Amino acid sequence: GAVVSQHPSWVICKSGTSVKIECRSLDFQATTMFWYRQFPKQSLMLMATSNEGSKATYEQGVEKDKFLINHASLTLSTLTVTSAHPEDSSFYICSAGTGFNYTFGSGTRLTVV
Amino acid sequence: GDSVTQMEGPVTLSEEAFLTINCTYTATGYPSLFWYVQYPGEGLQLLLKATKADDKGSNKGFEATYRKETTSFHLEKGSVQVSDSAVYFCALSMNTGNQFYFGTGTSLTVIP
Repeated sequence: GAVVSQHPSWVICKSGTSVKIECRSLDFQATTMFWYRQFPKQSLMLMATSNEGSKATYEQGVEKDKFLINHASLTLSTLTVTSAHPEDSSFYICSAGTGFNYTFGSGTRLTVV
Repeated sequence: GDSVTQMEGPVTLSEEAFLTINCTYTATGYPSLFWYVQYPGEGLQLLLKATKADDKGSNKGFEATYRKETTSFHLEKGSVQVSDSAVYFCALSMNTGNQFYFGTGTSLTVIP
C-alpha cells in the first residue's frame, strides 16, 4: 500500500532557530500533500495544502512566512518552521494521496525550548 | 463551518468488552465520514469510511453507520482486544476527500 514517510519523528530546537520537516511519498507520486498540526487535547487542524510546482495554500490564521512549505517534487514536501518559539511546540503531520485514499505520515513532535 | 465532535477519552475497557466511541458532525453539505486509528508510534491509518447516508463502514471488527438524521458516525466493536489499544479519530471530508476535518481523538486502552 501507499507509504508516506515523515522525518524527523521528533525534534527539540532552541527558540529563534528554524526546523525543517520532510514528508515523502515512497511508492507513489503526490501532486498534493497536506500539513496538519495538533495541539494537546485539540483536533488535528489543517494548516496548508501543498501543491507540487506552485505556492502552498494556507488556512486562515496560519502564518505563511512562519511556516514555509516547499513542494519541489512529486514525492517530497517540506515544512519549515522559521524562528520557532515555544508556542510552536506541537505535533505536525502530513498526508498525501488522491481522492479518499490518503495516507498519513507518522508525525513530528516539535518541542521549542 | 464544518466540524466533528468526538467523545472525549481516555477510554479503558477490559478485553472482550463492547466499545462505542461517539462522533457527531456539522456540515453544510453531504460529507464523507471516516474513522482513523493511530497505534502507538505509528502514523494515522484509515480504519473505515462511509460516503453517503445509511452506508456502513466496517473493518477489523469495527463498524460505523452514517446516520444523516442524527448527524452521527459512532464507532462500535463488539469485543475489543488488547491490540485495539490506540487513538481513534473521527473525520469528515466535504469534496473529493483531500481535505479533512478531525475530531480531537479518543484514546482507548484495553486491559487483559
